[in-house]
Amino acid sequence: DIQMTQSPSTLSASVGDRVTITCRASQSINSWLAWYQQKPGKAPKLLIYKASTLESGVPLRFSGSGSGTEFTLTINSLQPDDFATYYCQRYKDYLWTFGQGTKVEIK
Amino acid sequence: QVQLQESGPGLVKPSETLSLTCSVSGGSMDHYYWGWVRQPPGERLEWIGYIHSSGSTKYNPSLKSGVTISVDTSKNQFSLKLYSVTAADTAVYFCARLPGGNFGDIWGQGTKVTVFS
Repeated sequence: DIQMTQSPSTLSASVGDRVTITCRASQSINSWLAWYQQKPGKAPKLLIYKASTLESGVPLRFSGSGSGTEFTLTINSLQPDDFATYYCQRYKDYLWTFGQGTKVEIK
Repeated sequence: QVQLQESGPGLVKPSETLSLTCSVSGGSMDHYYWGWVRQPPGERLEWIGYIHSSGSTKYNPSLKSGVTISVDTSKNQFSLKLYSVTAADTAVYFCARLPGGNFGDIWGQGTKVTVFS
Protein backbone atom coordinates (compact mmCIF):
# COMPACT_ATOMS: atom_id res chain seq x y z
CA ASP A 1 0.00 0.00 0.00
CA ILE A 2 1.32 3.47 -0.85
CA GLN A 3 1.99 5.63 2.19
CA MET A 4 1.92 9.43 2.17
CA THR A 5 4.12 11.36 4.61
CA GLN A 6 3.98 15.10 5.12
CA SER A 7 6.57 17.35 6.70
CA PRO A 8 6.63 19.22 8.88
CA SER A 9 3.69 18.19 11.07
CA THR A 10 3.43 21.71 12.43
CA LEU A 11 4.74 24.94 11.00
CA SER A 12 4.82 28.31 12.74
CA ALA A 13 4.80 31.31 10.42
CA SER A 14 3.90 34.97 10.23
CA VAL A 15 1.63 36.86 7.89
CA GLY A 16 3.58 37.62 4.74
CA ASP A 17 5.88 34.60 5.02
CA ARG A 18 6.50 32.12 2.24
CA VAL A 19 5.59 28.65 3.42
CA THR A 20 6.49 25.28 1.93
CA ILE A 21 4.96 21.92 2.86
CA THR A 22 6.37 18.63 1.58
CA CYS A 23 4.52 15.41 0.82
CA ARG A 24 6.39 12.19 0.03
CA ALA A 25 4.90 9.01 -1.43
CA SER A 26 6.37 5.60 -0.62
CA GLN A 27 6.37 4.82 -4.34
CA SER A 28 5.79 6.77 -7.51
CA ILE A 29 2.34 8.23 -8.00
CA ASN A 30 3.25 10.23 -11.11
CA SER A 31 1.32 13.48 -10.68
CA TRP A 32 -1.79 11.98 -9.10
CA LEU A 33 -1.76 14.23 -6.07
CA ALA A 34 -4.18 16.74 -4.59
CA TRP A 35 -3.82 19.29 -1.78
CA TYR A 36 -6.57 20.40 0.60
CA GLN A 37 -6.95 23.06 3.25
CA GLN A 38 -9.04 22.23 6.32
CA LYS A 39 -10.10 24.54 9.12
CA PRO A 40 -11.41 23.27 12.50
CA GLY A 41 -14.93 21.89 12.25
CA LYS A 42 -15.04 22.36 8.48
CA ALA A 43 -14.83 20.16 5.41
CA PRO A 44 -11.61 20.01 3.40
CA LYS A 45 -11.30 22.54 0.60
CA LEU A 46 -9.62 21.47 -2.63
CA LEU A 47 -6.66 23.71 -3.50
CA ILE A 48 -4.65 21.85 -6.12
CA TYR A 49 -5.01 18.66 -8.17
CA LYS A 50 -2.75 16.77 -10.53
CA ALA A 51 0.13 18.07 -8.41
CA SER A 52 0.16 21.59 -9.82
CA THR A 53 -3.25 22.54 -11.23
CA LEU A 54 -4.91 25.26 -9.19
CA GLU A 55 -8.59 24.68 -8.47
CA SER A 56 -10.88 27.42 -9.74
CA GLY A 57 -11.28 30.26 -7.26
CA VAL A 58 -8.18 29.41 -5.22
CA PRO A 59 -5.86 32.41 -4.73
CA LEU A 60 -2.75 32.51 -6.89
CA ARG A 61 -0.49 32.62 -3.83
CA PHE A 62 -1.03 28.84 -3.60
CA SER A 63 1.06 26.66 -5.88
CA GLY A 64 1.99 23.00 -6.14
CA SER A 65 4.89 21.19 -7.71
CA GLY A 66 6.52 17.79 -7.95
CA SER A 67 6.01 14.40 -9.50
CA GLY A 68 6.89 10.80 -8.75
CA THR A 69 7.43 10.60 -4.99
CA GLU A 70 8.09 14.17 -3.81
CA PHE A 71 5.67 17.06 -3.89
CA THR A 72 5.45 20.53 -2.41
CA LEU A 73 2.71 23.00 -1.61
CA THR A 74 3.88 26.60 -1.44
CA ILE A 75 1.96 29.54 -0.06
CA ASN A 76 3.44 32.87 -1.07
CA SER A 77 2.78 35.77 1.28
CA LEU A 78 0.80 33.93 3.95
CA GLN A 79 -2.52 35.59 4.77
CA PRO A 80 -4.53 35.43 8.04
CA ASP A 81 -7.10 33.19 6.32
CA ASP A 82 -4.40 30.64 5.48
CA PHE A 83 -3.81 29.43 9.03
CA ALA A 84 -5.22 25.93 8.81
CA THR A 85 -4.24 22.29 8.37
CA TYR A 86 -3.15 21.11 4.93
CA TYR A 87 -3.43 17.56 3.62
CA CYS A 88 -2.02 15.88 0.55
CA GLN A 89 -3.94 13.03 -1.06
CA ARG A 90 -2.81 10.54 -3.67
CA TYR A 91 -5.32 9.05 -6.10
CA LYS A 92 -3.32 6.65 -8.27
CA ASP A 93 -4.97 3.39 -9.33
CA TYR A 94 -8.37 4.57 -8.12
CA LEU A 95 -7.26 4.30 -4.51
CA TRP A 96 -6.89 7.21 -2.15
CA THR A 97 -4.49 7.86 0.72
CA PHE A 98 -4.10 11.07 2.71
CA GLY A 99 -1.04 12.43 4.41
CA GLN A 100 -1.15 13.02 8.16
CA GLY A 101 -1.57 16.76 7.74
CA THR A 102 0.52 19.89 8.33
CA LYS A 103 -0.83 22.49 10.71
CA VAL A 104 0.17 26.04 9.82
CA GLU A 105 -0.07 28.15 12.95
CA ILE A 106 0.60 31.75 13.83
CA LYS A 107 4.13 32.45 15.01
CA GLN B 1 -24.16 25.67 -7.41
CA VAL B 2 -23.95 22.07 -6.29
CA GLN B 3 -24.29 21.50 -2.54
CA LEU B 4 -24.05 18.32 -0.51
CA GLN B 5 -25.62 17.57 2.87
CA GLU B 6 -25.05 14.51 5.03
CA SER B 7 -27.78 13.10 7.25
CA GLY B 8 -28.13 10.17 9.61
CA PRO B 9 -28.00 9.17 13.27
CA GLY B 10 -25.26 10.67 15.41
CA LEU B 11 -25.09 7.66 17.73
CA VAL B 12 -24.68 4.01 16.74
CA LYS B 13 -24.20 1.01 19.01
CA PRO B 14 -21.26 -1.36 18.59
CA SER B 15 -21.87 -4.26 16.15
CA GLU B 16 -24.75 -2.38 14.51
CA THR B 17 -24.88 -0.78 11.04
CA LEU B 18 -23.98 2.86 10.48
CA SER B 19 -26.20 4.37 7.78
CA LEU B 20 -25.72 7.83 6.28
CA THR B 21 -27.23 9.61 3.31
CA CYS B 22 -25.83 12.46 1.24
CA SER B 23 -28.35 14.68 -0.52
CA VAL B 24 -27.17 16.52 -3.62
CA SER B 25 -28.79 19.80 -4.63
CA GLY B 26 -28.18 22.37 -7.34
CA GLY B 27 -27.07 19.96 -10.03
CA SER B 28 -27.28 16.53 -11.58
CA MET B 29 -25.56 13.45 -10.23
CA ASP B 30 -25.08 12.03 -13.72
CA HIS B 31 -21.56 11.24 -14.98
CA TYR B 32 -19.90 11.98 -11.66
CA TYR B 33 -18.36 9.88 -8.89
CA TRP B 34 -19.63 10.43 -5.35
CA GLY B 35 -17.74 9.39 -2.27
CA TRP B 36 -17.34 9.18 1.47
CA VAL B 37 -14.38 10.24 3.60
CA ARG B 38 -14.15 10.14 7.39
CA GLN B 39 -11.97 11.75 10.01
CA PRO B 40 -11.61 10.19 13.46
CA PRO B 41 -11.06 12.70 16.27
CA GLY B 42 -7.63 14.31 15.94
CA GLU B 43 -6.61 12.06 13.07
CA ARG B 44 -6.04 12.28 9.35
CA LEU B 45 -8.71 11.97 6.69
CA GLU B 46 -9.53 8.41 5.63
CA TRP B 47 -11.10 7.46 2.33
CA ILE B 48 -14.03 5.02 2.62
CA GLY B 49 -15.10 4.57 -0.97
CA TYR B 50 -17.01 5.99 -3.89
CA ILE B 51 -19.67 5.25 -6.46
CA HIS B 52 -20.28 6.38 -10.02
CA SER B 53 -23.74 7.58 -11.01
CA SER B 54 -23.94 4.37 -13.06
CA GLY B 55 -23.54 2.31 -9.89
CA SER B 56 -19.94 1.07 -10.11
CA THR B 57 -18.12 1.21 -6.80
CA LYS B 58 -14.64 1.25 -5.29
CA TYR B 59 -13.92 0.70 -1.60
CA ASN B 60 -10.95 1.17 0.69
CA PRO B 61 -9.56 -2.37 1.03
CA SER B 62 -8.13 -1.59 4.46
CA LEU B 63 -11.53 -1.10 6.06
CA LYS B 64 -12.08 -4.01 8.38
CA SER B 65 -15.82 -3.50 8.63
CA GLY B 66 -17.92 -4.27 5.57
CA VAL B 67 -19.08 -1.26 3.61
CA THR B 68 -21.66 -0.60 0.91
CA ILE B 69 -22.22 2.60 -1.01
CA SER B 70 -25.35 2.96 -3.14
CA VAL B 71 -26.82 5.70 -5.32
CA ASP B 72 -30.34 6.79 -6.18
CA THR B 73 -30.08 9.42 -8.89
CA SER B 74 -33.87 9.84 -9.03
CA LYS B 75 -33.72 11.15 -5.47
CA ASN B 76 -30.37 12.91 -5.96
CA GLN B 77 -28.92 10.93 -3.07
CA PHE B 78 -26.20 8.43 -2.32
CA SER B 79 -25.76 6.41 0.83
CA LEU B 80 -23.19 4.71 3.03
CA LYS B 81 -23.63 1.59 5.11
CA LEU B 82 -20.85 0.50 7.44
CA TYR B 83 -21.46 -2.85 9.09
CA SER B 84 -20.54 -4.21 12.51
CA VAL B 85 -19.15 -0.92 13.73
CA THR B 86 -16.75 -0.52 16.64
CA ALA B 87 -15.49 2.47 18.60
CA ALA B 88 -12.81 2.88 15.91
CA ASP B 89 -15.55 3.95 13.50
CA THR B 90 -16.28 7.05 15.58
CA ALA B 91 -15.54 9.97 13.25
CA VAL B 92 -16.86 12.91 11.29
CA TYR B 93 -18.16 11.56 8.00
CA PHE B 94 -17.99 13.70 4.87
CA CYS B 95 -19.58 13.15 1.49
CA ALA B 96 -18.04 14.65 -1.62
CA ARG B 97 -18.28 14.95 -5.39
CA LEU B 98 -15.31 13.37 -7.10
CA PRO B 99 -14.46 14.39 -10.67
CA GLY B 100 -13.20 11.21 -12.31
CA GLY B 101 -13.12 9.54 -8.90
CA ASN B 102 -9.84 11.31 -8.26
CA PHE B 103 -10.34 14.04 -5.63
CA GLY B 104 -13.17 15.88 -3.92
CA ASP B 105 -14.04 19.24 -5.38
CA ILE B 106 -17.30 19.79 -3.49
CA TRP B 107 -17.86 18.56 0.06
CA GLY B 108 -20.67 18.33 2.54
CA GLN B 109 -20.21 19.99 5.92
CA GLY B 110 -19.72 16.64 7.64
CA THR B 111 -21.72 14.73 10.24
CA LYS B 112 -20.35 13.41 13.51
CA VAL B 113 -21.03 9.77 14.31
CA THR B 114 -20.20 8.28 17.68
CA VAL B 115 -20.16 4.54 18.32
CA PHE B 116 -20.87 3.72 21.93
CA SER B 117 -23.04 1.52 24.02
